[in-house]
Amino acid sequence: AQSVTQPDIHITVSEGASLELRCNYSYGATPYLFWYVQSPGQGLQLLLKYFSGDTLVQGIKGFEAEFKRSQSSFNLRKPSVHWSDAAEYFCAVVLLASGGSYIPTFGRGTSLIVHP
Amino acid sequence: NAGVTQTPKFQVLKTGQSMTLQCAQDMNHEYMSWYRQDPGMGLRLIHYSVGAGITDQGEVPNGYNVSRSTTEDFPLRLLSAAPSQTSVYFCASSRGRTDYNEQFFGPGTRLTVL
Repeated sequence: AQSVTQPDIHITVSEGASLELRCNYSYGATPYLFWYVQSPGQGLQLLLKYFSGDTLVQGIKGFEAEFKRSQSSFNLRKPSVHWSDAAEYFCAVVLLASGGSYIPTFGRGTSLIVHP
Repeated sequence: NAGVTQTPKFQVLKTGQSMTLQCAQDMNHEYMSWYRQDPGMGLRLIHYSVGAGITDQGEVPNGYNVSRSTTEDFPLRLLSAAPSQTSVYFCASSRGRTDYNEQFFGPGTRLTVL
């Protein structure tokens, strides 16, 4: 079965520092890959997505992610973190289910804490 | 557009009670889904719908029913609530297939079952 692993439950960074959130998936083929952000008390918002083509994708709020097929990874990065980036971040993969529909699978999330 | 709306925001139930969580979207999206979010578990898909009149089970469907009589609405029913159903529930919609289309999420319903 497909799975998504976010190995870091919490990450703490100082404001202005760079950030990398890790995401690994287990599946033979290349899935559709997403990163979502959830601010406290809110629903999820799409940051960026990857389907094919250029392996470095740009998203909103200054985030980017790089797909590395050899490592089955889709890590999220930001060069300089702002205090408003403190939130929960979810990686998701979408694969074709046996019934012909596409089912998203979410990682457990990484909580980002930003120190002033 | 209001986007995806969910009611109620908070709910407390006693074991064995039934209730319906409401979800509506005004974006004319075909796909709608229900997720539950538990600490350390991420989001898990309960049920989804690819259009009016069509629903299917996700990863954790037991204890929940859904129907999709209109494009706009996708209610989630708990027939006999159990403490294990204490969670935050999110409804989401997307324009088409969820493989490449962004999902839009509602603000969530926090449910506590005593």
